Amino acid sequence: GAVVSQHPSWVICKSGTSVKIECRSLDFQATTMFWYRQFPKQSLMLMATSNEGSKATYEQGVEKDKFLINHASLTLSTLTVTSAHPEDSSFYICSARDLRTSSYEQYFGPGTRLTVT
Amino acid sequence: DAKTTQPPSMDCAEGRAANLPCNHSTISGNEYVYWYRQIHSQGPQYIIHGLKNNETNEMASLIITEDRKSSTLILPHATLRDTAVYYCIVSARPQGAQKLVFGQGTRLTINP
Repeated sequence: GAVVSQHPSWVICKSGTSVKIECRSLDFQATTMFWYRQFPKQSLMLMATSNEGSKATYEQGVEKDKFLINHASLTLSTLTVTSAHPEDSSFYICSARDLRTSSYEQYFGPGTRLTVT
Repeated sequence: DAKTTQPPSMDCAEGRAANLPCNHSTISGNEYVYWYRQIHSQGPQYIIHGLKNNETNEMASLIITEDRKSSTLILPHATLRDTAVYYCIVSARPQGAQKLVFGQGTRLTINP
């Protein structure tokens, strides 16, 4: 099946700094990518939907100026957590699909664990 | 998207069939039922999806009731590696992006 990678797999940063997380589709072109956040023992929460070449659509309650999403190519989307605070510590997961195929499957990355100290 | 209801946890013996129920009583005609699972500290993995007919693939079977208000995911011969949180999600066939709204899921534990 299709593979989605994330980098880094884990990161520790100091409060007030920014962190960039990359999401790559390795063997298919992702016209749409999704970013989720998951706190311990909770379910995944959709943060935003990013379409290649256009602005991301954020879910209600997600600050677009704090979580910057860029989807400049069909294989790469980035999530930048700006001015990170300890409450941003979470497991960030991306997923991708190719709307040009008939596949209904959404492929998920392995996740990035962010710890803000 | 229609909301789903799943039991918070289930246990199953290794080698037996694991039957995971899901209620989606407000599902609409154009919405599909998707099942994903998440093994601890990993990204979710697609299992199967269906509209109204029963479906089977190499991983599992999906049984959808005739009124489509509930479904059951069946893992025919559960192994220890099937221990995970299983999510039942209802979502419309996309013309644009497909949003998957995850509920709390069922934590399935396969016991030796």
